[in-house]
Amino acid sequence: AQKVTQAQTEISVVEKEDVTLDCVYETRDTTYYLFWYKQPPSGELVFLIRRNSFDEQNEISGRYSWNFQKSTSSFNFTITASQVVDSAVYFCALTYNYGQNFVFGPGTRLSVLP
Amino acid sequence: KAGVTQTPRYLIKTRGQQVTLSCSPISGHRSVSWYQQTPGQGLQFLFEYFSETQRNKGNFPGRFSGRQFSNSRSEMNVSTLELGDSALYLCASSLELQETQYFGPGTRLLVL
Repeated sequence: AQKVTQAQTEISVVEKEDVTLDCVYETRDTTYYLFWYKQPPSGELVFLIRRNSFDEQNEISGRYSWNFQKSTSSFNFTITASQVVDSAVYFCALTYNYGQNFVFGPGTRLSVLP
Repeated sequence: KAGVTQTPRYLIKTRGQQVTLSCSPISGHRSVSWYQQTPGQGLQFLFEYFSETQRNKGNFPGRFSGRQFSNSRSEMNVSTLELGDSALYLCASSLELQETQYFGPGTRLLVL
């Protein structure tokens, strides 16, 4: 079965701490895409990153970084020096079957306290 | 470039009624997908349209339907509303199938 697991339901950190959000996925497909989205309190999902299954290079974008490891089926997201504006629900997602199916994880609610 | 727009933003209906939600994709995007988000079930895929054709459908009853127009705008219809249909309905657009999706602000539907 195709599935995305985000074991951390809620995380609270103090501003300037680093935080890692875990994502573990299951798929039988060899070609798939993984995503991270942010959903702030306003409700609108914001695209953060897309990674295809053939590209295991880690990526850094400012304070954000992503670690993709096919060996453990994980696609973890790290925020360095967290800020209050990072408070949101973060979703990991998987597309498979050549993009015809889209599965979201349950989300991790991150609270960054001042 | 304007983002994905959804109308209305908020809606209150009663059981048994029907509702139509509208989504205008980012200019040039041809694929539109719909999702339902509830506290209990999380984000669930409803269906995806591309070039006015439904390309994929999630596991929802036939009361949920949609369509896409030649200008890529899409509508979603829910008939015979149930209390459990109360949710945030999100629309997402992408350039083509399999491409990154960009989401609208959603329509929050409350069924009383």
